[in-house]
Amino acid sequence: AQSVAQPEDQVNVAEGNPLTVKCTYSVSGNPYLFWYVQYPNRGLQFLLKYITGDNLVKGSYGFEAEFNKSQTSFHLKKPSALVSDSALYFCAVRDTYNNAGNMLTFGGGTRLMVKP
Amino acid sequence: DAGVIQSPRHEVTEMGQEVTLRCKLISGHNSLFWYRQTMMRGLELLIYFNNNVPIDDSGMPEDRFSAKMPNASFSTLKIQPSEPRDSAVYFCASSGGIRETQYFGPGTRLLVL
Repeated sequence: AQSVAQPEDQVNVAEGNPLTVKCTYSVSGNPYLFWYVQYPNRGLQFLLKYITGDNLVKGSYGFEAEFNKSQTSFHLKKPSALVSDSALYFCAVRDTYNNAGNMLTFGGGTRLMVKP
Repeated sequence: DAGVIQSPRHEVTEMGQEVTLRCKLISGHNSLFWYRQTMMRGLELLIYFNNNVPIDDSGMPEDRFSAKMPNASFSTLKIQPSEPRDSAVYFCASSGGIRETQYFGPGTRLLVL
């Protein structure tokens, strides 16, 4: 079975500082990994994904994420946070193992608060 | 492209009433996913379709919930009869294939009194 953990319910960071939102996963085969962002009263918006290749993936709005197979992690990062980055962030995984099905499993979400 | 379109955006109804939520896929997409989001349970996958065919409905809570794709670009999620515990935000998402990136609609906020 596949699973995702986002260990922090909330991350607080000052504007201009680097931010990290943590995600770890568990799969039987190889993972496809995704980050989504949800602004208040909006749907989830795709940020970036890792399928294969370079472990550092760059996405929308200056976000990037690093795939670390040995640590089974896919942390979301940004070098300099903006107040407008404040939102709910979801990590998701899909197992590529043959019998795993095709569903995405989402983490519980991490609320990012960027203070001026 | 207008993205995934959901209607209504907000629905308030009384317990026992039928509720129908609607979703229009992104043009050219052929996979459709229905999710429910609550504070207590987070984001849950209810059902998904590929090429109009339901693939996995194991997340549908009970028989009161049903989903259809009458054509390649449109889906409905129906709750009959509705109950207060059905109150949630319901999202649909579409993708170019069941293994492709999913793009979400804005959601329908449902309140059952």
